[in-house]
Amino acid sequence: AQTVTQSQPEMSVQEAETVTLSCTYDTSESDYYLFWYKQPPSRQMILVIRQEAYKQQNATENRFSVNFQKAAKSFSLKISDSQLGDAAMYFCAYRSAEGYGGSQGNLIFGKGTKLSVKP
Amino acid sequence: DTEVTQTPKHLVMGMTNKKSLKCEQHMGHRAMYWYKQKAKKPPELMFVYSYEKLSINESVPSRFSPECPNSSLLNLHLHALQPEDSALYLCASSQGWVGETQYFGPGTRLLVL
Repeated sequence: AQTVTQSQPEMSVQEAETVTLSCTYDTSESDYYLFWYKQPPSRQMILVIRQEAYKQQNATENRFSVNFQKAAKSFSLKISDSQLGDAAMYFCAYRSAEGYGGSQGNLIFGKGTKLSVKP
Repeated sequence: DTEVTQTPKHLVMGMTNKKSLKCEQHMGHRAMYWYKQKAKKPPELMFVYSYEKLSINESVPSRFSPECPNSSLLNLHLHALQPEDSALYLCASSQGWVGETQYFGPGTRLLVL
């Protein structure tokens, strides 16, 4: 079974600085997707970034970028020029791209990292 | 447009009440999901509908009853809930089942008294 581990329960960053959130995962599959979701206090789960395992190039979305190390099974999120609105719970998640559904296709979440941004 | 809507935003109910949560998406997605989320925890999958058919029921108690009237709409009927069922209930949808990105709604905050 696949697992996702976020080893940092809480992180803090100064406004305008850069912060990196860690995520590791365990799988025996070769084809899968990885996601970072952001959940602010308003509670809506918002997709930040998505990475396909077959792509070597790291995904980027404006100030958000990932460092995807497939062999190491690591998927960290870098937030540049942090803003107050970045304060939220961040969840790393894994989803299989293999098979035909069933529980194999479930989205597997890490426990989350709470990010605080200091003005 | 990646919008999933949920109503109501907040719901307070007694243990003998019957209520329903509603979720709607107009992105043409064929898979829809219900999640339960407790404070400071990741979402837990409850149900999956794929092409309007129930594909997964993650051993959820029968006091939760899902319904998918059409490809855009997903309901969760609640009956005889317990206080421990108080949580944030999130709906999500995706284009397909395996591998696709899930887009979440804003959730319904449920309090069972």
